[in-house]
Amino acid sequence: EAGVAQSPRYKIIEKRQSVAFWCNPISGHATLYWYQQILGQGPKLLIQFQNNGVVDDSQLPKDRFSAERLKGVDSTLKIQPAKLEDSAVYLCASSPLGGSYEQYFGPGTRLTVT
Amino acid sequence: DQQVKQNSPSLSVQEGRISILNCDYTNSMFDYFLWYKKYPAEGPTFLISISSIKDKNEDGRFTVFLNKSAKHLSLHIVPSQPGDSAVYFCAASAGAQKLVFGQGTRLTINP
Repeated sequence: EAGVAQSPRYKIIEKRQSVAFWCNPISGHATLYWYQQILGQGPKLLIQFQNNGVVDDSQLPKDRFSAERLKGVDSTLKIQPAKLEDSAVYLCASSPLGGSYEQYFGPGTRLTVT
Repeated sequence: DQQVKQNSPSLSVQEGRISILNCDYTNSMFDYFLWYKKYPAEGPTFLISISSIKDKNEDGRFTVFLNKSAKHLSLHIVPSQPGDSAVYFCAASAGAQKLVFGQGTRLTINP
């Protein structure tokens, strides 16, 4: 079974530029999550999708961050414009629908904003 | 507001000995707890979990203990092996599958 795929693995941009990250979850997983992990901290949930719909985006900075999940499969997370404090690893995770708390994580995208 | 706390940023243990990683939480609504293990340049991988209706769950060398009255859980690894060197995250859920993570503890197993 293929795991969660993310790209790119690394990205360096200047502040005020825009950037997009892509995630392909495990086949058949209905729920998809985007996390932000700042160095020295644990992952923090940004947004949770169930199929096409948003379940929780309470911690997503909506003035600069946006995410979509088209057709209930792949997802894209965008930052526009980026700030220095957005430097972090962005993790995508997925889980099957119903009952399981276990989430399967991709390798993450390390973003550096200069 | 840090609802899940891992107060030890790092832990060093000799190979073959027991490793004990600790986690405290403040939200009494949490009903499910998980431990994840993370190697450099990889995403976290699920290790072991426990429901709030239990106080212990065991899987091979890994055992998780939950003390609800103290709002404390711990992960025991016996015996510790070099491959156990990684960052360990404690996570908790309040029933909606949303996970709240601690800051992580870096475990180093010395030969």
